[in-house]
Parts: sequence; C-alpha cells; structure tokens
Amino acid sequence: GAGVSQSPSNKVTEKGKDVELRCDPISGHTALYWYRQSLGQGLEFLIYFQGNSAPDKSGLPSDRFSAERTGGSVSTLTIQRTQQEDSAVYLCASSLNQQGASYEQYFGPGTRLTVT
Amino acid sequence: SQQGEEDPQALSIQEGENATMNCSYKTSINNLQWYRQNSGRGLVHLILIRSNEREKHSGRLRVTLDTSKKSSSLLITASRAADTASYFCATDVGAPLVFGKGTRLSVIA
Repeated sequence: GAGVSQSPSNKVTEKGKDVELRCDPISGHTALYWYRQSLGQGLEFLIYFQGNSAPDKSGLPSDRFSAERTGGSVSTLTIQRTQQEDSAVYLCASSLNQQGASYEQYFGPGTRLTVT
Repeated sequence: SQQGEEDPQALSIQEGENATMNCSYKTSINNLQWYRQNSGRGLVHLILIRSNEREKHSGRLRVTLDTSKKSSSLLITASRAADTASYFCATDVGAPLVFGKGTRLSVIA
C-alpha cells in the first residue's frame, strides 16, 4: 500500500514568510509525528498526534510553529515568520500505537526547507 | 540530554566485514528500535526489540538488548556498500520515540 507522503519535497522561502508543510500518513495509522533534522544531526521531536487526544506539543521550539491534523488523517505543520535557523529537513512519521506502547514508525521522505 | 546515544559516531569498514553499533540509554524502556537513514531523508525501520527480549535477528541484522546495562547493539554481518547509511536507535518510554544522534556507517567496496 501507499506509504507516508509529504509535500513539498523542497521549499525555499524568504526570511519572514510563512510556510505550510503537509503530511499524508498511512491510512488507519492513529499516531502521527513531526520531527526536524538539521544537517548531520539527529531527529528533533516537534509534535505528536494520537487519535482524538490533545496533541503533545512539547517539542515545538517556539510559538511560530503550529500543527493540526484534520479528520485524524492529513497533517499540516505551519511555520510563521520563518527564520534562517528554521532551515532543516522536516520529517513526518505515522504508526499504529496501541495501549500506550510505541510501534514501528513509518517515515515520509521529508521536506527540505531552506530559508534565505 | 539524549535518552539514546549511539556509539561510535562514525564507522568505516571494508565490504564483507561486520559492523557493530551501540546504543546506550538512561531510563527504563518498553522497547528499543533501530532505524536506517539514507541520504538525509526518511528513516526506515529495521528491527524492534522488546524489553523482555535479549536478542533478535532479521536477515543480516542481529540486535541485542541488555536492560541491566541500559544498552543495545546492532550487528550487521557481511556488510555491503548498500549498507552505507546512518543508523539510529530509538527508545520507547511512552510515545513519542526518542531518537539518538546516529552512527554514520561507511562501507567501502
């Protein structure tokens, strides 16, 4: 079946502009995650959606970052007033989480954001 | 500080050799997972080992887990050039997973 898809694959934007990144998870997966990865670094957790529960926003670096998940499926990560330090690859993942345990995550190909 | 930290940060071996990467973590876990990343894009899940398991195999991969030492190792046997990638361990302490910074493996043909 189809995997996790993300769009756009690449985004170049000017400092101060807003950007929206989209993630389409695997159908039926209840959990959706956003991560950020700077060049040569590990994954930085941003936000986590689980079913109809309130999202875990503990990883969002500032109030310029927000995300929503509509209808328990597609998610959009919005970065307002982008800064150069926001340049990174933004990765989305989905999984079947049950009873508090984490199952394997399926990652999308990522969106490479460059802020000039 | 990182929950999971891989060691070494980088590893270079000849094709056909075995590669061993280690992961240490700090708190009790539900399970530990290993992922591979090629070319800085999406990660691919390799193997999941639960806290009550000590060893698991998948093809050329062997993972061990020592909960008393809070450590895990990933062994890739008979490495190939295509195994060149970054490898991450991720610990489940309740969602979300916590990823380490990764080991960069280079397999030279």
